[in-house]
Amino acid sequence: SQQGEEDPQALSIQEGENATMNCSYKTSINNLQWYRQNSGRGLVHLILIRSNEREKHSGRLRVTLDTSKKSSSLLITASRAADTASYFCATGDNYGQNFVFGPGTRLSVLP
Amino acid sequence: NAGVTQTPKFQVLKTGQSMTLQCAQDMNHNSMYWYRQDPGMGLRLIYYSASEGTTDKGEVPNGYNVSRLNKREFSLRLESAAPSQTSVYFCASRRTSGSSYNEQFFGPGTRLTVL
Repeated sequence: SQQGEEDPQALSIQEGENATMNCSYKTSINNLQWYRQNSGRGLVHLILIRSNEREKHSGRLRVTLDTSKKSSSLLITASRAADTASYFCATGDNYGQNFVFGPGTRLSVLP
Repeated sequence: NAGVTQTPKFQVLKTGQSMTLQCAQDMNHNSMYWYRQDPGMGLRLIYYSASEGTTDKGEVPNGYNVSRLNKREFSLRLESAAPSQTSVYFCASRRTSGSSYNEQFFGPGTRLTVL
């Protein structure tokens, strides 16, 4: 069974708008990571947040983590057509080895 | 650096045939992983190798075997392919060096169809 579950499954927005994706998980984690996958390609790491962190920024990306609710969100600000991709959250166990990925959110940014 | 490379890119097998998927990384990473991705789903971990000489089962290991040939290479073998193993297979590697906070680097994937 999958630990991470992204919400929504699909999201369509206009260029320039913000996109928010959520991830929920079930057990305690060491860290949570977000990845992007362009169609037909491998995954690319975007950002990692540790279990003792609440918020992290990287360029147009903002990630929050609420361990009490076992949830995380990824915000992409001022979206661009090039942001069109699937976005996955992945949780790492306390040993940082056994990673579990959610089913992903498919983001479409329309020009 | 080539990063993580996988061969082949595409493969079609008949039920019962065997094959080995190859993965290599040139980043001197300790840990390597094999995942499968089915349509509309996230990645599921098949096996991983925390370091050279060790392998461990992930979420969906049945029907697969792995070999960590050396620090660079981690292969995945299907002994008797089944249609349920039709999927895209991704290899990944990660630098550990005592830290659990490092990201994974992924290969481009192998698209496998079992008829």
